[in-house]
Amino acid sequence: DGGITQSPKYLFRKEGQNVTLSCEQNLNHDAMYWYRQDPGQGLRLIYYSQIVNDFQKGDIAEGYSVSREKKESFPLTVTSAQKNPTAFYLCASSTSLAIYEQYFGPGTRLTVT
Amino acid sequence: DQQVKQNSPSLSVQEGRISILNCDYTNSMFDYFLWYKKYPAEGPTFLISISSIKDKNEDGRFTVFLNKSAKHLSLHIVPSQPGDSAVYFCAASGDASGTYKYIFGTGTRLKVLA
Repeated sequence: DGGITQSPKYLFRKEGQNVTLSCEQNLNHDAMYWYRQDPGQGLRLIYYSQIVNDFQKGDIAEGYSVSREKKESFPLTVTSAQKNPTAFYLCASSTSLAIYEQYFGPGTRLTVT
Repeated sequence: DQQVKQNSPSLSVQEGRISILNCDYTNSMFDYFLWYKKYPAEGPTFLISISSIKDKNEDGRFTVFLNKSAKHLSLHIVPSQPGDSAVYFCAASGDASGTYKYIFGTGTRLKVLA
């Protein structure tokens, strides 16, 4: 079955620690995205990648970093510089960075205390 | 500045009746719109899309209407079913830079009452 997997579903970290969220897709999609959702807010774009070894900052990239070494993988690192890291993180992919619908993974809920 | 707005945070509808979810946008460069449905603790699932060259797109019980002059789109669900209870997000894309990033609204929580 083709799809997007994110792991783990729930993640707990102490303040000051970096943490990496996994995102893998087997849809053969070129474009991948990371979003953050907070209660009562829409999805906000953190980073996106059009092709391997290329990625761009989204609207709220501060305190985050990504890599795209393989087409199917787009991990997100939440660094200690991110002031409010507790949120629901969603990874998505699409055929290309164009007007195609995006397919989302199940999400990772990160709680930092 | 919220470029995509869903002004109704919640909506309750009786089973079998029509659900109408609304979305307004401010950027006239947006030319592609999508609706997503999201259950708690899950990723959004794509429902239906519409391009700015159309004013209506239908898929089964779901119809999206686009009024470009009013910068308004709506999602109609007929008939509504209890399984439709979820949060619905509209998203818009297309800008002068040619980078098709989607801007999401804040969502409307639909509750279909049995």
